[in-house]
Amino acid sequence: GAGVSQTPSNKVTEKGKYVELRCDPISGHTALYWYRQSLGQGPEFLIYFQGTGAADDSGLPNDRFFAVRPEGSVSTLKIQRTERGDSAVYLCASSLKAGFPPYEQYFGPGTRLTVT
Amino acid sequence: KQEVTQIPAALSVPEGENLVLNCSFTDSAIYNLQWFRQDPGKGLTSLLLIQSSQREQTSGRLNASLDKSSGRSTLYIAASQPGDSATYLCAVRGAGNMLTFGGGTRLMVKP
Repeated sequence: GAGVSQTPSNKVTEKGKYVELRCDPISGHTALYWYRQSLGQGPEFLIYFQGTGAADDSGLPNDRFFAVRPEGSVSTLKIQRTERGDSAVYLCASSLKAGFPPYEQYFGPGTRLTVT
Repeated sequence: KQEVTQIPAALSVPEGENLVLNCSFTDSAIYNLQWFRQDPGKGLTSLLLIQSSQREQTSGRLNASLDKSSGRSTLYIAASQPGDSATYLCAVRGAGNMLTFGGGTRLMVKP
């Protein structure tokens, strides 16, 4: 079946612009996660959703970052007033559910964001 | 706060060698530990997932062990091949629903 998909695969934007990154989870998966991976580092957690609600947004670095999942399927990560330090690969993952026992997370290919 | 460290950060070996990648974590209260492979410009491919009650998992030439009490895991790769060249990441799942990742080990296997 189809895995997690992310669009666009690459995004180049100018400093100060607004960007949206999209994630389509595996069909039927109710939990969705966003991670950010800076060059040469491991991914870092940003936010996760169970259904439509953000269950934990403790990893969002500041209020320029926001994510939504209005219908409990597709999610959009929104970044306002982009800065060069936002340049990274943004990874999305989904799992059947959140909670316990822990369900395996399946990752998408990522969106590479470059802020010039 | 959970911290995950991977040693070495980079490794270059000739084809055919057996090798060990190390992962350590500071909080032993984990539910599972997972090893991933990441090719350049690509997403994460899950290799092995070890539940906290397990000691090891095997898949083909890969064997991962977990010593939860000491906060350590190793990934053993037997008879390495050039196609094994990639970055290997370990991640732990704790009380929260997110994964906490190490910085990765970049492996190069030379023909």
